[in-house]
Amino acid sequence: NAGVTQTPKFRVLKTGQSMTLLCAQDMNHEYMYWYRQDPGMGLRLIHYSVGEGTTAKGEVPDGYNVSRLKKQNFLLGLESAAPSQTSVYFCASSYGQRPTQRRDTQYFGPGTRLTVL
Amino acid sequence: AQRVTQPEKLLSVFKGAPVELKCNYSYSGSPELFWYVQYSRQRLQLLLRHISRESIKGFTADLNKGETSFHLKKPFAQEEDSAMYYCALREGFQKLVFGTGTRLLVSP
Repeated sequence: NAGVTQTPKFRVLKTGQSMTLLCAQDMNHEYMYWYRQDPGMGLRLIHYSVGEGTTAKGEVPDGYNVSRLKKQNFLLGLESAAPSQTSVYFCASSYGQRPTQRRDTQYFGPGTRLTVL
Repeated sequence: AQRVTQPEKLLSVFKGAPVELKCNYSYSGSPELFWYVQYSRQRLQLLLRHISRESIKGFTADLNKGETSFHLKKPFAQEEDSAMYYCALREGFQKLVFGTGTRLLVSP
């Protein structure tokens, strides 16, 4: 199993450009998440999904949109990138149940480093 | 609102020294807490969960509801323990609220 994969690994954008980050998981997980990681601020939840066709806002959703058309994929879109969106973006997935075992945790992707100039 | 506080950005110790990474939380219900670790150039991964009362790689963490703390401890640090450590609180069904992280640097 590849686990959670993210595409691309790196990207540089100019202010105002748009792009989509792709997250894919092959573990048949119900829940998927997008986080951003910034120095001194830890990981903050942007959006999440509790199943195919559903999405919900997290802690810092402004400036981002998401879609979950297929269970295994979770897309994060930036319609008009801003320098404040320079960050490392992590996708994660988990089973859709109350965690009772060690495996019932969030599995993270390798991250996408995005720079907006 | 649930909050997770990790007061130290950086903790630097020598190999063989004891380590304690602090985590305090605020939560109105019965908390479920986790420690995640991110080694250099690797993805974030679960280290341990409080409900398991487990010891992973020599690390332990005890939930202290009176002090609202979940400090991560290891009696003898190793160089390979150098990493970024995040304390996290489960909110709702599966959402996690992360602290700001502590970088542990173990020197030879």
